[in-house]
Amino acid sequence: DGGITQSPKYLFRKEGQNVTLSCEQNLNHDAMYWYRQDPGQGLRLIYYSQIVNDFQKGDIAEGYSVSREKKESFPLTVTSAQKNPTAFYLCASRPDWGGQFFGPGTRLTVL
Amino acid sequence: SQQGEEDPQALSIQEGENATMNCSYKTSINNLQWYRQNSGRGLVHLILIRSNEREKHSGRLRVTLDTSKKSSSLLITASRAADTASYFCATGETSGSRLTFGEGTQLTVNP
Repeated sequence: DGGITQSPKYLFRKEGQNVTLSCEQNLNHDAMYWYRQDPGQGLRLIYYSQIVNDFQKGDIAEGYSVSREKKESFPLTVTSAQKNPTAFYLCASRPDWGGQFFGPGTRLTVL
Repeated sequence: SQQGEEDPQALSIQEGENATMNCSYKTSINNLQWYRQNSGRGLVHLILIRSNEREKHSGRLRVTLDTSKKSSSLLITASRAADTASYFCATGETSGSRLTFGEGTQLTVNP
């Protein structure tokens, strides 16, 4: 899991609530990423940021928002507009050479 | 959008045997990467091969890349029970820092 932490490990949300997932890295990487993984499937890109104060939408950004105010932190908010938020969420950061370092993930369940 | 597609979806072998997984993709790439994911955990980067490389080794791992066929293979030699995991290929764009992941191969190594 390298120097990337995600919290909490498990998160339960009631319908209509916004929740924020934390991602912190101490690897001094400029680029950070949020992915969603559904059971038995691969990763889908939600948002990514290549530098502080800048971020781009991925393939499934609807219903999600992010901020990148500090190099070390890239929090993801799952809004009430996300119709099917139950999933495993993975954060990653990337050094210049290209491979990505992943956190341990947050499992979000909507009650 | 789905770029990499792994084959087979699931593979079950005996300890000591070799395991081969394949990945096909559709568009031009800058690099191709392989990752491992143990159940419920984050992904671990295994190896990166650039578009101008044909073969790369790392310990018991051997990766090949055929850009004319838009395909890659991951060979794990002398497999161990601890190699049991899901393996994903991911393609890096020719421009930008995004990766696109396939849906993975579930490898089971029986002791």
